[in-house]
Parts: sequence; structure tokens; C-alpha cells
Amino acid sequence: QQQVKQSPQSLIVQKGGIPIINCAYENTAFDYFPWYQQFPGKGPALLIAIRPDVSEKKEGRFTISFNKSAKQFSLHIMDSQPGDSATYFCAASDYKLSFGAGTTVTVRA
Amino acid sequence: GAGVSQSPSNKVTEKGKDVELRCDPISGHTALYWYRQSLGQGLEFLIYFQGNSAPDKSGLPSDRFSAERTGGSVSTLTIQRTQQEDSAVYLCASSLEGRGVGELFFGEGSRLTVL
Repeated sequence: QQQVKQSPQSLIVQKGGIPIINCAYENTAFDYFPWYQQFPGKGPALLIAIRPDVSEKKEGRFTISFNKSAKQFSLHIMDSQPGDSATYFCAASDYKLSFGAGTTVTVRA
Repeated sequence: GAGVSQSPSNKVTEKGKDVELRCDPISGHTALYWYRQSLGQGLEFLIYFQGNSAPDKSGLPSDRFSAERTGGSVSTLTIQRTQQEDSAVYLCASSLEGRGVGELFFGEGSRLTVL
């Protein structure tokens, strides 16, 4: 049973567009919400993370929006570039990380 | 090497054989995790080691799967009597902090194919 539901499964945007990936959870014990980026043939790498006491966090072109009451959080990639093409996983942790199913993002030049 | 190292990178085996997958975590990291990634699926938690505490084995899918961590460092994931549904990429990660918080550093994975 997947504890973190992620959508969409895949999306394609043009360079400069803003892909948005959404995640939802039920377990209110989750207190740490990271996003991981994975390129083909590589392991996932931490991109950005948020705690539930803030509603938004920005790092460079990546922004997490967090809605504690709705138990939802999302990743926005501003001014997307072809090099951002990868699979993105949201995750949530109480004492171990539970991952979403992943979203494959393709940014066309 | 500074990163998490996994071996073998690729393993092809016949159904019914046993396989061992190895993980060398980053030196000094007390937490070690194994995840399984199947095609089109997310990362499925398998097992978590934290220091000298008893491991959390709650994600192991069957008793054919086992893992150990020797000396608080190297870990081995063993799959006995492999089945075709075991085909996946097995990812190991280590972390300076335990309890699932802080950055997990992943290896590049061991791709297992069971014929």
C-alpha cells in the first residue's frame, strides 16, 4: 500500500515551462517531506526538502508548496531546462522514507 | 570513494538460485537502507539499519529476503530461491542521520534479472 500518492506519472513541457508534480499523504505522523531527482542509470539524489511548519520553500528554480491541512505538497520547476529531464520522486518520513511512484519529466528544447 | 558503492551493478540469474547484493555505505553514516525499484514503480522500502539497533525488516516481501550489516558498515542483501518477480533494481542508501530524516545518499543500484 503506497503511503504517498504522486501524480502525474509523466509530463512533457517546453523549455521555460513550469512542470508541477503533486503528492498526497494520509499519515499525520510524517514530519519530513523531501523530493529526489533520478537520472537514468543513477541512484536518486536529494533535490529539496521541507518540514510541515512552513508552507513554501525555494531553492534555485525548484519550489515546494506544502498544505498541511490538505495533506498535500507539490514541486514546481520554474523556467525548466532540458537538463531537468529526469524522474522525480516525492517522499515522506516518520522514521523511514516512503516514496511516491515517481513522475518522469521531459523538457523539450 | 566518497559515495555509496554497490556491487554487482548487474546480475543475471536463473530462477531458483540465490543471489547476494553488497552495499558499502559512506564512512561514518550510521543509517543504511535498502529499497527496491521495479519498472514504473516507486522505491519500495525493504529494510533499515540504524547503528546497533535491531533492523526494521518490515518491508521485506517474503522470508526469501534477508539482510545483514556487519560491523555497522557493509551490508549484504540476500535473496534465496529467486523468482522472476524479484527482477528489479535494488538500491542501497546511507545517511548520517537516522529515522528517515536528513539526506539519503543512494548508490547506483544493483540490477537483478531473474530468467
